[in-house]
Amino acid sequence: QKEVEQNSGPLSVPEGAIASLNCTYSDRGSQSFFWYRQYSGKSPELIMFIYSNGDKEDGRFTAQLNKASQYVSLLIRDSQPSDSATYLCAVAQSMEYGNKLVFGAGTILRVKS
Amino acid sequence: DAGITQSPRHKVTETGTPVTLRCHQTENHRYMYWYRQDPGHGLRLIHYSYGVKDTDKGEVSDGYSVSRSKTEDFLLTLESATSSQTSVYFCAISVANEQFFGPGTRLTVL
Repeated sequence: QKEVEQNSGPLSVPEGAIASLNCTYSDRGSQSFFWYRQYSGKSPELIMFIYSNGDKEDGRFTAQLNKASQYVSLLIRDSQPSDSATYLCAVAQSMEYGNKLVFGAGTILRVKS
Repeated sequence: DAGITQSPRHKVTETGTPVTLRCHQTENHRYMYWYRQDPGHGLRLIHYSYGVKDTDKGEVSDGYSVSRSKTEDFLLTLESATSSQTSVYFCAISVANEQFFGPGTRLTVL
């Protein structure tokens, strides 16, 4: 079992719809969760992070965390063609010095105009 | 872009040759990381540094070494490149528990 799992997609949604991206993780002690967006040929860009159970909203993005179910999701409202990218879920794990991020393989999102 | 640059941005090399990739940051961040990204695997940690001359291994460190002689520079060396090390390499820095990535280096080992 991978430590962080995501459906590879592609997830296709029409412009203006809500895109729902999901991620599960295996380490029950994880405390910090991150969503990155990566355009083809570019580096990952941090778009959201969440530490507490519940929802966190930032503009069109909402991150949802359920630690009991070991599940984190990202909702994108009013999806735009420019949202088409790969979305990476990452979970922080403590090391002796600092944290490391464990990434899922990513979900490809395609927003059709 | 969090003030991170990587060089070279693209490199093609032959099996068995040594290769060094450079990550440079301008903001004196303590933590620096090297990841590789391969299809189907996401990003995987190779090595990281928690200060000058302080480094440790990540999950895929075999065949790689690192050095950090100055706060701003973190070097990744492939002592003898193999075709399995063909990948995209990203450097990252950590700011208050959040990581930010450099532009990446695409390495091809023939």
